[in-house]
Amino acid sequence: NAGVMQNPRHLVRRRGQEARLRCSPMKGHSHVYWYRQLPEEGLKFMVYLQKENIIDESGMPKERFSAEFPKEGPSILRIQQVVRGDSAAYFCASSPGQETLTEAFFGQGTRLTVV
Amino acid sequence: AQSVTQLDSHVSVSEGTPVLLRCNYSSSYSPSLFWYVQHPNKGLQLLLKYTSAATLVKGINGFEAEFKKSETSFHLTKPSAHMSDAAEYFCVVSGGGSYIPTFGRGTSLIVHP
Repeated sequence: NAGVMQNPRHLVRRRGQEARLRCSPMKGHSHVYWYRQLPEEGLKFMVYLQKENIIDESGMPKERFSAEFPKEGPSILRIQQVVRGDSAAYFCASSPGQETLTEAFFGQGTRLTVV
Repeated sequence: AQSVTQLDSHVSVSEGTPVLLRCNYSSSYSPSLFWYVQHPNKGLQLLLKYTSAATLVKGINGFEAEFKKSETSFHLTKPSAHMSDAAEYFCVVSGGGSYIPTFGRGTSLIVHP
């Protein structure tokens, strides 16, 4: 059973371009969380999704950021018109469901660099 | 609402000496608590977790943590530090009235030869 898979592991974008980060949850997991880790800081919650549904996006910036978790395929975190301040590590976690939130399994992260 | 406070941003120890990384939490209900480790430029690895069973939890690599409800603490310990333990450690709380795991700011463990 493969763990949470994130790709790409490293992503370089020029200012103004779009960044797409993908997260495939563990098999059987239907809930996904996205976190952002800025340099020298902890992980900050961004968004919590269930398949085809955003449950909580209270940590998402109001502009340029969006997330989806379609019925088929990975969850996608999309950043439009990236700026230098978006450079960070983005981690995805998955869990079996809201009623079993005793553990969340994390991916290896995507390190975004905006140049 | 829930929160977690890691009391030390950096902890420095000599190889072979004990490790103590402190964590205090705030939660409305009985929480689940976790410790994760992150080596430089790597992902997050679960060290151990507390989910309302035994209060003394043993994890991987010789680490353990004790849940103390009266002190709202979940400190991470290891009897003897190894050079490979040098990493960032995160205390995490979830389930206590919120379904979203909340991270502490992290403690950087430095191990001297």
